[in-house]
Amino acid sequence: GAVVSQHPSWVICKSGTSVKIECRSLDFQATTMFWYRQFPKQSLMLMATSNEGSKATYEQGVEKDKFLINHASLTLSTLTVTSAHPEDSSFYICSAWRGLAGGVEADTQYFGPGTRLTVL
Amino acid sequence: DAKTTQPNSMESNEEEPVHLPCNHSTISGTDYIHWYRQLPSQGPEYVIHGLTSNVNNRMASLAIAEDRKSSTLILHRATLRDAAVYYCILSYSGGSNYKLTFGKGTLLTVNP
Repeated sequence: GAVVSQHPSWVICKSGTSVKIECRSLDFQATTMFWYRQFPKQSLMLMATSNEGSKATYEQGVEKDKFLINHASLTLSTLTVTSAHPEDSSFYICSAWRGLAGGVEADTQYFGPGTRLTVL
Repeated sequence: DAKTTQPNSMESNEEEPVHLPCNHSTISGTDYIHWYRQLPSQGPEYVIHGLTSNVNNRMASLAIAEDRKSSTLILHRATLRDAAVYYCILSYSGGSNYKLTFGKGTLLTVNP
């Protein structure tokens, strides 16, 4: 159990266009979903925390108008990179947290496989 | 946020046990200790996590020091597929959400 998917796995777009990335928890309902970004040879950096039906909470330095997050259901969150530029090229990873539903297994995040975004 | 300290890299031989250390001297009483690993171009994979007691699962064991200021991830028999970056992370439970702050991790190389 605890499988998280992302779509697409990779995307190439032109500068100035918008790109949407989907994150789904396939076999559980996620209280919270998180979005991370990872540049080459660097560690993951948390971008935002998203709860179903609520506005996302962005980390310091992350532009909320550029990285739009929608958490429409307990199994789906989307990240839209608006007006993408080459510096937005990165590996975007989501994770899902089941919350304190009981049991040790619930108290951790499960990660998607990531989406490679390349902006030309 | 409480920080963790891990060696930048470690090397092991196939089929031998591996002990990956992590120091977290500023851990608070409610912080969980999480271990994840990441292969190139993949999302992190959950390995194990715990609070106070040692934990075992099919992938690994987690040994937590009595004062909780350090922990060790134990891979009982390393395989080539265990070569990855291993992250030791303390969960920051600010309210009802968990936040995980990733450090640089330990790059584990497994020699055949």
